[in-house]
Amino acid sequence: DTEVTQTPKHLVMGMTNKKSLKCEQHMGHRAMYWYKQKAKKPPELMFVYSYEKLSINESVPSRFSPECPNSSLLNLHLHALQPEDSALYLCASRRVGYKDGYTFGSGTRLTVV
Amino acid sequence: ELKVEQNPLFLSMQEGKNYTIYCNYSTTSDRLYWYRQDPGKSLESLFVLLSNGAVKQEGRLMASLDTKARLSTLHITAAVHDLSATYFCAVDRSGGSNYKLTFGKGTLLTVNP
Repeated sequence: DTEVTQTPKHLVMGMTNKKSLKCEQHMGHRAMYWYKQKAKKPPELMFVYSYEKLSINESVPSRFSPECPNSSLLNLHLHALQPEDSALYLCASRRVGYKDGYTFGSGTRLTVV
Repeated sequence: ELKVEQNPLFLSMQEGKNYTIYCNYSTTSDRLYWYRQDPGKSLESLFVLLSNGAVKQEGRLMASLDTKARLSTLHITAAVHDLSATYFCAVDRSGGSNYKLTFGKGTLLTVNP
């Protein structure tokens, strides 16, 4: 299995809702990432997990809450989002300690109404 | 702070023509990546460049890296319509125990018949 799987592919949520994005990989990658991409902009790093521990938080608002329950799974919990949080959310993973590249998932298109 | 600059940001070219996209970065990096993104889709990895003088080619695309000049180029040969997409360069740099991938703003390439 050489893929990063993200679910759901599309999500519409109200500003008072709580939802979660899921990212899963079975490649043994111990570094996992969340990126946010607004339309016509480059991806921006949100969080990095290394060996299931949060190692980088790029000053992301607390309405985004990441979780890494095991080495294969990465979640992003969403609560009280704003319409400006609507974006494509990309998950990525890589092998720690190797010169490999990153494997990106297909993304979750989030719309906040 | 690592900065990655791409130019041009917009490129409209005719089929059969050649062109080059440039990517400059501000500090020493570990790896340089080129990605392709189609509208509404995730990132497709094109090239990973690891060392000075590295050159990689795939079909009509060729990427090179000059670490002394902190410059990478993506050369397009005899463009075809299927190459129309947004192309991002990204630079990987160690941030403590983890690597962070920083993207350029992207080049929107349109190939016209």
